[in-house]
Amino acid sequence: DAKTTQPPSMDCAEGRAANLPCNHSTISGNEYVYWYRQIHSQGPQYIIHGLKNNETNEMASLIITEDRKSSTLILPHATLRDTAVYYCIVSPGGTSYGKLTFGQGTILTVHP
Amino acid sequence: EAQVTQNPRYLITVTGKKLTVTCSQNMNHEYMSWYRQDPGLGLRQIYYSMNVEVTDKGDVPEGYKVSRKEKRNFPLILESPSPNQTSLYFCASSFLGSYEQYFGPGTRLTVT
Repeated sequence: DAKTTQPPSMDCAEGRAANLPCNHSTISGNEYVYWYRQIHSQGPQYIIHGLKNNETNEMASLIITEDRKSSTLILPHATLRDTAVYYCIVSPGGTSYGKLTFGQGTILTVHP
Repeated sequence: EAQVTQNPRYLITVTGKKLTVTCSQNMNHEYMSWYRQDPGLGLRQIYYSMNVEVTDKGDVPEGYKVSRKEKRNFPLILESPSPNQTSLYFCASSFLGSYEQYFGPGTRLTVT
């Protein structure tokens, strides 16, 4: 699997957009980018995934660069409840591939 | 309610005493997986299963066993627990090929 690099921590003001970067410069053509988050010590929660087009759902937007070597998860209006660890994962084919590797993630702190 | 359940949620045990952590899902998912989470190391996959009687190693399988005799259950077995297996354990499930895994609430295991 391609390796991902994320900043260890970021801050964001409540109500502002949170932009979380992820570098995956060794990504292969068949590998997807997807994001999970973990609030405190709860089980991780799926956020979004994409291959090469930008994606948006009710939780977030995912912007993938044209060369696919990096991506940004955008939480458009961060709230205090968005404080969590955010994991960027690269893998071909979701759970069909089987083995999934979570990195260290980014600790996002949303402050009032 | 669709969910992944784990039991027990908390367990303190002694070195060498065999234990089993159960995981059950009610969503008819083919894929199930176990992870452990340790400070500074993130989430690491222990074992996964893509269907009944099909299991495979993740990144850190040493010291663990699993079985998948029924689609809904995926127990994690520690035959001879050691202190380095003290960790927070998560079970997850999904439809095969999906990018969205559903995680259980976690089991905090302490081995003394």
